[in-house]
Amino acid sequence: ETGVTQTPRHLVMGMTNKKSLKCEQHLGHNAMYWYKQSAKKPLELMFVYNFKEQTENNSVPSRFSPECPNSSHLFLHLHTLQPEDSALYLCASSQENEFANTGELFFGEGSRLTVL
Amino acid sequence: AQKVTQAQTEISVVEKEDVTLDCVYETRDTTYYLFWYKQPPSGELVFLIRRNSFDEQNEISGRYSWNFQKSTSSFNFTITASQVVDSAVYFCALSVIQGAQKLVFGQGTRLTINP
Repeated sequence: ETGVTQTPRHLVMGMTNKKSLKCEQHLGHNAMYWYKQSAKKPLELMFVYNFKEQTENNSVPSRFSPECPNSSHLFLHLHTLQPEDSALYLCASSQENEFANTGELFFGEGSRLTVL
Repeated sequence: AQKVTQAQTEISVVEKEDVTLDCVYETRDTTYYLFWYKQPPSGELVFLIRRNSFDEQNEISGRYSWNFQKSTSSFNFTITASQVVDSAVYFCALSVIQGAQKLVFGQGTRLTINP
């Protein structure tokens, strides 16, 4: 069992549905991330939250909406997705400070999303 | 901008063979970290190693070893006496030390160890 848990592990949704992915970290970290892993493409950073504040939005379409209510929980709200959004969505966490990054991310097992 | 290239998309070897996974990176930053992560079939990426750009010493951990060469911007990963449990996708990644935490990943190398 990892220190970062993601639910659901698998999700199938239609293009008009609204759903959410959830991530919870049990490591006491202060930064959380969403990554997208598509077939034949490198992992893409989507969002970064540091101390609950969003510090990075990597040109992600507005149909993906992140929410970070506290330093342990991170959500990705999904609405009106496209079939090309089908991918593995990975959540990660890390402990950062203002002087330098530790560099090490702890990943969850991912949520496999299929958009029909 | 940073970029990581893993030219080997898939590698297949027989158990007990040695195998080297290549990683070439590009960055204009003088201080950075390099990483290797392993992604088993279960999906989560597992941290294997972090190397600071100031430290070019090679590292060995059991059957794993890493060769960092700044002159060629490479950070290669060798598994000695491979085992079936080593089968996974391996990612090389780069991150700058200062500023927002952003790992830039290579496309990954799928390693299959056949019994």
